[in-house]
Amino acid sequence: SQQGEEDPQALSIQEGENATMNCSYKTSINNLQWYRQNSGRGLVHLILIRSNEREKHSGRLRVTLDTSKKSSSLLITASRAADTASYFCATDGTGTASKLTFGTGTRLQVTL
Amino acid sequence: KAGVTQTPRYLIKTRGQQVTLSCSPISGHRSVSWYQQTPGQGLQFLFEYFSETQRNKGNFPGRFSGRQFSNSRSEMNVSTLELGDSALYLCASSPTDRVYKTQYFGPGTRLLVL
Repeated sequence: SQQGEEDPQALSIQEGENATMNCSYKTSINNLQWYRQNSGRGLVHLILIRSNEREKHSGRLRVTLDTSKKSSSLLITASRAADTASYFCATDGTGTASKLTFGTGTRLQVTL
Repeated sequence: KAGVTQTPRYLIKTRGQQVTLSCSPISGHRSVSWYQQTPGQGLQFLFEYFSETQRNKGNFPGRFSGRQFSNSRSEMNVSTLELGDSALYLCASSPTDRVYKTQYFGPGTRLLVL
């Protein structure tokens, strides 16, 4: 079963606009990561935020984490058509095993 | 470094058959995890291997099994295939670092069970 939900399920914006996706999770986490998936292919890691961090930036990406609300958001600024993909948050609990629990994903469509 | 590779990329089987999927991790990565992705259930963790030992297992029936070899390459096997096993099977590898569990995914094997 999935750790949590992402919203919106689908998002359609125009190139140049910002896109914001939200992720909620259920249990305590060690880290939260965001991944991108293009058309049913493999996932690409975008950014990792540790449980003791509140905000992180990487290029056009900005991630926030609120552990008290068990939620995270991913902001993509100045979207491009190439950003069209599905975006997933993934959490891992404490422990040594590399097990990620994924959210339901947000499908982003960026049109010209 | 070369990325994670998975073979085959596409596979068609019939109910009752078995299938073996292969994954070669990034050189130097000793952890290999497997995930199943379906439209209905999303991405679900199958199992993880580290140094040839299964370190974690998801909620899948015993028909799903895996193994890892001394060179860190991994295989997963599904026996007695069911229609519901049709999915994209993703393999991911991780460095030995245990705190930051970034995973590097392969392109996946798309399995269709008829």
